[in-house]
Amino acid sequence: QKEVEQDPGPLSVPEGAIVSLNCTYSNSAFQYFMWYRQYSRKGPELLMYTYSSGNKEDGRFTAQVDKSSKYISLFIRDSQPSDSATYLCATYNDYKLSFGAGTTVTVRA
Amino acid sequence: DSGVTQTPKHLITATGQRVTLRCSPRSGDLSVYWYQQSLDQGLQFLIQYYNGEERAKGNILERFSAQQFPDLHSELNLSSLELGDSALYFCASSGTGGAGGANVLTFGAGSRLTVL
Repeated sequence: QKEVEQDPGPLSVPEGAIVSLNCTYSNSAFQYFMWYRQYSRKGPELLMYTYSSGNKEDGRFTAQVDKSSKYISLFIRDSQPSDSATYLCATYNDYKLSFGAGTTVTVRA
Repeated sequence: DSGVTQTPKHLITATGQRVTLRCSPRSGDLSVYWYQQSLDQGLQFLIQYYNGEERAKGNILERFSAQQFPDLHSELNLSSLELGDSALYFCASSGTGGAGGANVLTFGAGSRLTVL
């Protein structure tokens, strides 16, 4: 079983829509959860970092962790064409970051 | 610029050959990670070094090896190359300390390897 599962999409939304991305993870002991954004095969860049459960908001981005269901989410409000990218969820454990498959998002102008 | 430097950016070579990819971590970061990203496999963890010592190993083939030098730069050596080794290879580094330090990775721009 993979440590992090993510639907690869792709996902296409109109500009201004809310983008909702989800992942599940396998090990209830995981504590550190991240979302990375990757533009067209460039290096992934950290978008959101969450420790344990709860919500974290940064501008138009909200990350949620539900440890009871082992579910992590990212919401992008008022999406822009510049948000078009691949979004990867990840969890840090045993000295490594394990990534989901990544969801490719296209925001149509 | 993330502060993590990878060279070369692009590399084209033939099957059976050997290549070396180089990574300089962000200033002050002691940990270096190597990842492979291919179209069908996503980002796969290969290996991690902390201050010169190997600390974690993922799905790294025996044909691949890595090391971290005293100046903290790292090299990933890929030998007996096969067509399936064509991929993007990313290096990342992280700092020390607790949450938000050691477990937040900063990635380089990657080295694109094409094996013909």
